[in-house]
Order: sequence, then C-alpha cells, then structure tokens
Amino acid sequence: EAQVTQNPRYLITVTGKKLTVTCSQNMNHEYMSWYRQDPGLGLRQIYYSMNVEVTDKGDVPEGYKVSRKEKRNFPLILESPSPNQTSLYFCASSHIPGTSRRYNEQFFGPGTRLTVL
Amino acid sequence: AQKVTQAQTEISVVEKEDVTLDCVYETRDTTYYLFWYKQPPSGELVFLIRRNSFDEQNEISGRYSWNFQKSTSSFNFTITASQVVDSAVYFCALIGQAGTALIFGKGTTLSVSS
Repeated sequence: EAQVTQNPRYLITVTGKKLTVTCSQNMNHEYMSWYRQDPGLGLRQIYYSMNVEVTDKGDVPEGYKVSRKEKRNFPLILESPSPNQTSLYFCASSHIPGTSRRYNEQFFGPGTRLTVL
Repeated sequence: AQKVTQAQTEISVVEKEDVTLDCVYETRDTTYYLFWYKQPPSGELVFLIRRNSFDEQNEISGRYSWNFQKSTSSFNFTITASQVVDSAVYFCALIGQAGTALIFGKGTTLSVSS
C-alpha cells in the first residue's frame, strides 16, 4: 500500500529536550516536505527536499532541522523544542511538483501531534 | 506571491442541505494545480481532488462537485445533500508551476447537524 508514515503520532515533551519525528514514504517520491498546522493559520511549510541531500527552507524553518540521507526518509529534528512549537505536524511526499508530468498530488502522513510543555 | 483565500471560516448546515465552500486563489503562474483536502476530527488530511489550470472542466464525484473558473480565480466545492459525516475542516490549496510548497487556505469548518 502506498503510504507516508510518521512516528510518533502523539508526543508530549518538555522544553529543550531534543526530539526527532520520523517520516518515511514507499512511493519512490523525489520530493518530501514538512508542514505544521496551527489554528487559524492553516498549514505552513517548514522544510522541503527535492531529492537526497537536497533540502531547503520553507516559510517557517526557525527551530527545526531536517536531513535527507535516503530517498524514502525525511526526519524532522527539533534540537531544543519550545512551547511555540506545539502543533500538528504533517509530512508529505510527491513526485517533483510543478512541471513534472508525473506530479499528481502530495501524499500526506497521518500527522504528529506535538505538545511542548 | 501566491495566496489562497477561504473566506468562510465556519459553516453550519442541517443534514440534506446543499453547501458550497468558496476558494479564491492568486497566482502569476500560467500553469498551476488546485486541490481540496478534507480533515475530519481524527486529524488526517484526505485528498479530494486535483485540478490542473489548463483543464477547466468541472467535476462531479457522487455528492461532491467542483466548479473551477479561471476568469474569477475560483475553485468552489459543493456538497449536495450534506451528511453528518461531511463534518470536517476543508482546505483549498494551490501549487504553482515551479512551486515547492502547497499554499493552503486557512480552512473552512463545516458542521452538519442531524
């Protein structure tokens, strides 16, 4: 089954304790991305990756890191989480968006609810 | 800059009513893609439809229909004979020709009561 998986689904942590949210896709997609969803703000992109070892900042990258060492994985790292990073996080993957003839839709993971106390 | 506006923050209807969710977008790209996603209370994002900018044909899928009008930069979503299970937050989104991110509207919360 084609899917994007995220772990953990729920996480409560404390300020300053490093954490990693994993994301994995099994569709051989080049493009992967992280979004955060906050009430009244919709979804905003944190980071994205066009391929292995190619990552770039989205609209709200402060306080986050990513890496893309393998095509299927795109972990989101919070080195020192703060309460303003409490949010619902989504990982997404697709073929290269925009001009790619194979681009169809972005497949989203189930979401990770993060609470930073 | 690209922008998606969903002016309706919340809509409440009674079952079996028809309801239209509005989406207006801004882009300078000549080629772009528009999407609708549904987010039920469980939180996941459910893909509903993708529309290419060069395909203005409207689409119907069961009780759902979409009206794409380039002239007014709108991509509205209509649910016919709404049901309680349609209660969710609905997002309209856009990605441009060379885009690297889906640009989401702020969402419309639809509540359908029995």
